[in-house]
Amino acid sequence: EAQVTQNPRYLITVTGKKLTVTCSQNMNHEYMSWYRQDPGLGLRQIYYSMNVEVTDKGDVPEGYKVSRKEKRNFPLILESPSPNQTSLYFCASSSRGETEAFFGQGTRLTVV
Amino acid sequence: AQSVTQLGSHVSVSEGALVLLRCNYSSSVPPYLFWYVQYPNQGLQLLLKYTSAATLVKGINGFEAEFKKSETSFHLTKPSAHMSDAAEFFCAVSEAQGAQKLVFGQGTRLTINP
Repeated sequence: EAQVTQNPRYLITVTGKKLTVTCSQNMNHEYMSWYRQDPGLGLRQIYYSMNVEVTDKGDVPEGYKVSRKEKRNFPLILESPSPNQTSLYFCASSSRGETEAFFGQGTRLTVV
Repeated sequence: AQSVTQLGSHVSVSEGALVLLRCNYSSSVPPYLFWYVQYPNQGLQLLLKYTSAATLVKGINGFEAEFKKSETSFHLTKPSAHMSDAAEFFCAVSEAQGAQKLVFGQGTRLTINP
């Protein structure tokens, strides 16, 4: 089954404790992205990647890092999480030249 | 820069009534436009997309949207609401053919009254 898989689905952590949210897709897509969803703001793009070792900032990159060492994986790293990063995070992937993005189930992160 | 505005953060309709969710966009180039739906505790699912072909686009679950360039709008409609349509809906725009950089609206939560 074609899918985008995020882990974990839920995470509660403390301020300053480094964490990684993993994202993996099995569709051989070139493009992958991370979004955060906040009430009243919709989804905002954090980072995106157009291929292995090619990443670029989205609209709200501060406080986040990404890497794309393999085509199927695109982890999101919070080196020093803060409470304002409490949010619902989505990973998405799409194929070059196609207009449909496929989204993961989401990761609800709470930073206390 | 591209942007999307969804009018109404909450819309409530009766079962069987018309559903109308409004979306206006701004884009410096001919846009690609999308409607996504998010059911509770789930990810986003593509409802429909406009990619410069027909201006009236039909999607899944009986939804459709019409691209109106003169009004910079891409409103979503469904003639008869069903209880299962209750969800949050997001309009999105992309200036590139690929979906690597979507800009989303604020979202509209649709409630269906029995």
